[in-house]
Amino acid sequence: SAVISQKPSRDICQRGTSLTIQCQVDSQVTMMFWYRQQPGQSLTLIATANQGSEATYESGFVIDKFPISRPNLTFSTLTVSNMSPEDSSIYLCSVLQGLYGYTFGSGTRLTVV
Amino acid sequence: GDSVTQMEGPVTLSEEAFLTINCTYTATGYPSLFWYVQYPGEGLQLLLKATKADDKGSNKGFEATYRKETTSFHLEKGSVQVSDSAVYFCALSPGTASKLTFGTGTRLQVTL
Repeated sequence: SAVISQKPSRDICQRGTSLTIQCQVDSQVTMMFWYRQQPGQSLTLIATANQGSEATYESGFVIDKFPISRPNLTFSTLTVSNMSPEDSSIYLCSVLQGLYGYTFGSGTRLTVV
Repeated sequence: GDSVTQMEGPVTLSEEAFLTINCTYTATGYPSLFWYVQYPGEGLQLLLKATKADDKGSNKGFEATYRKETTSFHLEKGSVQVSDSAVYFCALSPGTASKLTFGTGTRLQVTL
């Protein structure tokens, strides 16, 4: 199955700033997803990152707050913009690969102070 | 819409005890069902899956059977180990190229 490298693994950021999270996959994949896991809670899908077109956002998430890039089939970024303490979460990249199903990166643990 | 309901944790067991974590789902059609495990400080790992009714997924001594009649996918293990301590997530996907919907997760703590 695909190996996903997600960076940074953790960060502490000041409120009002932005953080860009990178997701690099070791093989080409069609479907890439970004999830959020708030403290003590389950995973919620933020958006599906589409190669060559705008991401598809889930209800409650907007492009201005979570802009996503997908320049090719092995890479994507998620930016958390104008951060507030409520954005403190683990952000996970995921890919879907045929027979292997869904694979997740190790996550980015974000703390906003 | 689709949803997954898991038993609330934490679940605390002694080593070698029998484990059951309940999971039920609501979805149209025949979704694929998954159990993921998240060890402390790590990302999610697929534990097992089942793609059609009556399928049994198994891995590392864990098992779960896709029960269409009861819309359930309960996770079981006959003898847990301390190393099984983690958070377990039940999830479903309605199609082959669809997003995952997760349950709230169940924390398992196994003690000596």
